[in-house]
Amino acid sequence: GENVEQHPSTLSVQEGDSAVIKCTYSDSASNYFPWYKQELGKGPQLIIDIRSNVGEKKDQRIAVTLNKTAKHFSLHITETQPEDSAVYFCAASEVTGGGNKLTFGTGTQLKVEL
Amino acid sequence: GAGVSQSPRYKVAKRGQDVALRCDPISGHVSLFWYQQALGQGPEFLTYFQNEAQLDKSGLPSDRFFAERPEGSVSTLKIQRTQQEDSAVYLCASSLVGAEQFFGPGTRLTVL
Repeated sequence: GENVEQHPSTLSVQEGDSAVIKCTYSDSASNYFPWYKQELGKGPQLIIDIRSNVGEKKDQRIAVTLNKTAKHFSLHITETQPEDSAVYFCAASEVTGGGNKLTFGTGTQLKVEL
Repeated sequence: GAGVSQSPRYKVAKRGQDVALRCDPISGHVSLFWYQQALGQGPEFLTYFQNEAQLDKSGLPSDRFFAERPEGSVSTLKIQRTQQEDSAVYLCASSLVGAEQFFGPGTRLTVL
């Protein structure tokens, strides 16, 4: 089955700096890679996703890159703000007509300091 | 509009008790997923429904875990004879087929 590794486990940045979180996956059949933000006591919230037919996607301060050959994908947050502090999870799945169960990484605790 | 809702939000059970966790998906979402999230870990897949059909239950950790979605909308995850290792947050997610999954707030289960 799929295995997703995520680094770093904790990340502390100064407000306004950039943050980068990296993930690797093992199953070449995976073709959908979402990123979720989870705040304390809440469920994961989708912030951005990318499918395997593109290499990069950007939404305001958030961008995701995908290298299918190396099986790497990364989340980039620019101009970080205190409200970006949360746990971030990457995930991978193979989208089929029968559903797309997600395999998650172990999470990155991001702290944005004033 | 309304998102995914789950109840109860917190459940404390004595070891050996049975529990039932409810998920109300987003209206019209055909797909429904259950995940288990241990403290400090990422969610792990338990089971998947497309309408009322349970198409994948490969993640259920034992035969004490049972899920149903009889009318293709609300789903219930039942755990029989709870054990301490069942303590976790149970997350429900719904989606259109093949589309992004929207998660509920989860039910935190504590087994004493």
